[in-house]
Amino acid sequence: QSVLTQPPSVSGAPGRRVTISCTGTNSNIGAGYDVHWYQQLPGTAPKLLIYGNINRPSGVPDRFSASKSGTSASLAITGLQAEDEADYYCQSWDSSLTGSVFGGGTKLTVL
Amino acid sequence: QVQLQESGPGLVKPSGTLSLTCAVSGGSINDSNWWSWVRQPPGKGLEWIGEIYHSENTNYNPSLKSRVTISLHKSKNQFSLRLTSVTAADTAVYYCARDFEGAKGPWGQGTLVTVSS
Repeated sequence: QSVLTQPPSVSGAPGRRVTISCTGTNSNIGAGYDVHWYQQLPGTAPKLLIYGNINRPSGVPDRFSASKSGTSASLAITGLQAEDEADYYCQSWDSSLTGSVFGGGTKLTVL
Repeated sequence: QVQLQESGPGLVKPSGTLSLTCAVSGGSINDSNWWSWVRQPPGKGLEWIGEIYHSENTNYNPSLKSRVTISLHKSKNQFSLRLTSVTAADTAVYYCARDFEGAKGPWGQGTLVTVSS
């Protein structure tokens, strides 16, 4: 059972928009700690996609965006492409655990 | 740019000790960063193991704290993970990563460690 809750799977047709939610509690996201997002393509290491709630590292397309409100955050992907098919993870800091916590991951299928 | 590479035995016997090293290139382990270990059991999600700061302060996952030690090896520009009393549940791909603005990035390519007799 992950500290941060994500839907196990989402799907969308090419060109469409999908969102992935990440729900936490008042000891992590709700406490004001930043949320970060990772993309893990099949058989590869995770890659930082969004840091500090809304920021994209250089090289990440602007089709990827994220937001945070209260005890939740969300990742949005617009103009879906086949190469976006991957697992996506959110991550934050938890003051009760004094450590980083991850969501359980969401598998994105591009139909 | 900073690159990380994990190394260590791919097979560890039950009740034994898992030891991995992460070599850092393109940057210094002495920089003001946290350096992390994360693992991923086959077919499952990511689990944070712990982290170490350049000052050698550490934070560990409470569920693993009694068995984990993360250390810096500044002269070699490396940091390491030691996990004792391993069981099959510790079988996973182990990743090292640098912290960046509170996030983890970049990551090493990962190394699979199997616990089996």
